[in-house]
Amino acid sequence: DIQMTQSPSTLSASVGDRVTITCRASQSISNWLAWYQQKPGKAPKLLIYEASSLESGVPSRFSGSGSGTEFTLIISSLQPDDFATYYCHQYKTPWTFGQGTKVEIK
Amino acid sequence: QVQLVQSGAEVKKPGASVKVSCKTSGYTFTTYVIHWVRQAPGQSLEWMGWIDTDNGNTRYSQKFHARVTITRDTSASTADMELSSLTSEDTAVYFCARVLSGVTAGPDYWGQGTLVTVSS
Repeated sequence: DIQMTQSPSTLSASVGDRVTITCRASQSISNWLAWYQQKPGKAPKLLIYEASSLESGVPSRFSGSGSGTEFTLIISSLQPDDFATYYCHQYKTPWTFGQGTKVEIK
Repeated sequence: QVQLVQSGAEVKKPGASVKVSCKTSGYTFTTYVIHWVRQAPGQSLEWMGWIDTDNGNTRYSQKFHARVTITRDTSASTADMELSSLTSEDTAVYFCARVLSGVTAGPDYWGQGTLVTVSS
């Protein structure tokens, strides 16, 4: 199975900060990568698909980049609603997910 | 609007089986594959398998292959996941999620999750 290594595991930031989360795949996955936001007790919410395509309705402060084995999620200006856990997800079967990045208030 | 609504929380004893249902609405059921993903407390997400709702074909994770069965009822637009021989390690929230058939993609809509607690 493809291993997804996500970093950092925890990130402390303030409103307005630029936040960067990275994800590395153990082998090439082309651009078959999505980013999800999850809040406690809720299902994951799709933010980015195909590594860099913004899901409809998701604010433009979220962006994704990368291909092959290195991927990045950027939040350009952190908002109060963005404090959550973020997961990368490669969807080349069998699916695997990163370990998550918890974005906390600094 | 698209909805995936899962059955309620379950408490099971070790060795038992559990069946979780995912009732869909707001789209043509057979045009999407249904995947099942679980999340143990404080942990990341773990893929269990999928079902092609059009022809009933399934594929399971090697980890769960011997214990999981995913079925669908096209007349009810519902997919079910049954997990057998439960242990405390199976305590988790179980999610269903849809992916457009025939494409390599991540899910765009998820169910709300079903907590399964395994305890003696």
